Amino acid sequence: EVQLVESGGGLVQPGGSLRLSCVVSGFTFSDYWMSWVRQAPGRGLEWVANIKQDGSDKYYVDSVKGRFTISRDNAKNSLYLQMNSLRAEDTAVYYCAREESGYRALDYWGQGTLVTVSS
Amino acid sequence: QSVLTQPPSASGTPGQRVTISCSGSRSNIGRNTVNWYQQLPGTAPKLLIYRNNQRPSGVPDRFSGSKSGTSASLAISGLQSEDEADYYCAAWDDSLNVWVFGGGTKLTVL
Repeated sequence: EVQLVESGGGLVQPGGSLRLSCVVSGFTFSDYWMSWVRQAPGRGLEWVANIKQDGSDKYYVDSVKGRFTISRDNAKNSLYLQMNSLRAEDTAVYYCAREESGYRALDYWGQGTLVTVSS
Repeated sequence: QSVLTQPPSASGTPGQRVTISCSGSRSNIGRNTVNWYQQLPGTAPKLLIYRNNQRPSGVPDRFSGSKSGTSASLAISGLQSEDEADYYCAAWDDSLNVWVFGGGTKLTVL
């Protein structure tokens, strides 16, 4: 069974940092691109970043470029999102998702972890 | 403002057929396949349709998708109360190098 479990969310002050983790099981992690997607309270889905199987390619939405860094450790079946210089507008539930490259879809999602940026 | 455009709401009565539209551009829907996601209240999104019109295992055939040019649509036939959820379309955008989503459509079963 494919499983993705996020952790690391919490309350942080504006300007602060947080590192999210996503541990996966049930599939060969190193075979897949992986993404982070967020959802602000009461709002729609916004893709944040993705990373290639070996970590050599990464893409980001403009609003997080220079502040967020996506990374992965294939030996630990883990995906990360380092978030720096956090702003109130980064408040959201953050989901990790597997990318099925064959048919280009985010096919499995974790349950999400809530990040709240507030003083 | 989302890159893909969906109606904010849709509704229908049990047994009816409803459709949800998704409009994009050449760089996203025009060049790439469209996926649809269902998000039930308080849960993570679930892949409903991939590659424009394919259903993952376990998704009822009441759900169908189509694409034409730079637009796509999701159809739900035989509407049931458990279909009440938010629905999102998504596609990769070749110009922006990002995944783009629609703003979501809240489906109400009357």
